[in-house]
Amino acid sequence: AQSVTQPDIHITVSEGASLELRCNYSYGATPYLFWYVQSPGQGLQLLLKYFSGDTLVQGIKGFEAEFKRSQSSFNLRKPSVHWSDAAEYFCAVGTYNTDKLIFGTGTRLQVFP
Amino acid sequence: NAGVTQTPKFQVLKTGQSMTLQCAQDMNHEYMSWYRQDPGMGLRLIHYSVGAGITDQGEVPNGYNVSRSTTEDFPLRLLSAAPSQTSVYFCASSRDREAYEQYFGPGTRLTVT
Repeated sequence: AQSVTQPDIHITVSEGASLELRCNYSYGATPYLFWYVQSPGQGLQLLLKYFSGDTLVQGIKGFEAEFKRSQSSFNLRKPSVHWSDAAEYFCAVGTYNTDKLIFGTGTRLQVFP
Repeated sequence: NAGVTQTPKFQVLKTGQSMTLQCAQDMNHEYMSWYRQDPGMGLRLIHYSVGAGITDQGEVPNGYNVSRSTTEDFPLRLLSAAPSQTSVYFCASSRDREAYEQYFGPGTRLTVT
């Protein structure tokens, strides 16, 4: 069955520290991969996406993610976290000509000054 | 552009009542969807539409109806509210018929007592 796993429910980092949020997927077809961010009380916003090509993709707000087919992973990274990055982050997977995305359960990021 | 708008922002219903959550987008997007968000469960797709006059079921459609008479509007109807439908509901839209880059509304927080 198709699924997305975000193993970390809650992560706490200090401002200025580096960040990596994990995402693993199980999908029969070639995956299209996404990271969305949800700030408190808001809807979700697309951070970045991977369809094909370069496996390291850049997104908004200084985020990047790397697709590793051998590990079925699409981890999100940021070299230096800002307090405004505190939010919930969702990984999602689809495929070519998909009519629905499958979302992970989310990782809540807390940033300490 | 206003993007994706949802009304109301908050709603309290009694068990057995019916209501309609409104969703509208002004981006001329073909794809629209409804999700519910519950703690620890991420986003789950309720219903979606790939164009006016076309709707389909998602992962958790029971107890909900939708229609898509125009490109702009995609209302979600709760037929007979139950406490299990207490949740935050998000509407989203995507430019093409695929679900790739979805733009989310701000959400409706629904409580059923």
